[in-house]
Amino acid sequence: DAMVIQNPRYQVTQFGKPVTLSCSQTLNHNVMYWYQQKSSQAPKLLFHYYDKDFNNEADTPDNFQSRRPNTSFCFLDIRSPGLGDAAMYLCATSSREAYEQYFGPGTRLTVT
Amino acid sequence: AQKITQTQPGMFVQEKEAVTLDCTYDTSDPSYGLFWYKQPSSGEMIFLIYQGSYDQQNATEGRYSLNFQKARKSANLVISASQLGDSAMYFCAMRGVLYNQGGKLIFGQGTELSVKP
Repeated sequence: DAMVIQNPRYQVTQFGKPVTLSCSQTLNHNVMYWYQQKSSQAPKLLFHYYDKDFNNEADTPDNFQSRRPNTSFCFLDIRSPGLGDAAMYLCATSSREAYEQYFGPGTRLTVT
Repeated sequence: AQKITQTQPGMFVQEKEAVTLDCTYDTSDPSYGLFWYKQPSSGEMIFLIYQGSYDQQNATEGRYSLNFQKARKSANLVISASQLGDSAMYFCAMRGVLYNQGGKLIFGQGTELSVKP
């Protein structure tokens, strides 16, 4: 089945230690999104890729970076995680014309 | 600016009864889309239903229906015949404009629904 996959599902990292979260999709969608969802809050868009074009939200901290080496894969890099970066990170995809965004299962990040 | 408001932090419903989750929105765009997503405790976001601003009829998907009142800017989700598996967080979202390249989702704060046996 076509889907959005996120690895790992749970990630523990130390304060200040770089971490990379992975997202892959078999839907061949143009657009890939990364959302951050802190406990008891709504998801918030960090950035998105339209094909290879990277688009950062204005309030996304510089500590967060992303890479999209091909259509199928997208990575979220947190260069120096702080305790405040502990959250669920959700990857989503959509085709340009689609109304719906398809979400992966999320990666729950813990910072110790 | 676009905004979604969900005023019910938590709701309880008896199994097999219907429940309505409230959502109001604000936008100046003439064309927009409204979504409802379900998020169980496992964390995944599950798409439930979509309503376009120009759709003449209210959207329905199985036990889910969307009560769309454009003049009041409301898009309430109605779940009929609640099941225990419906217990989850429910988010109302609006499709925002994203450089005309697909659309980002702007979410409300969510309503946690608990279904009682």
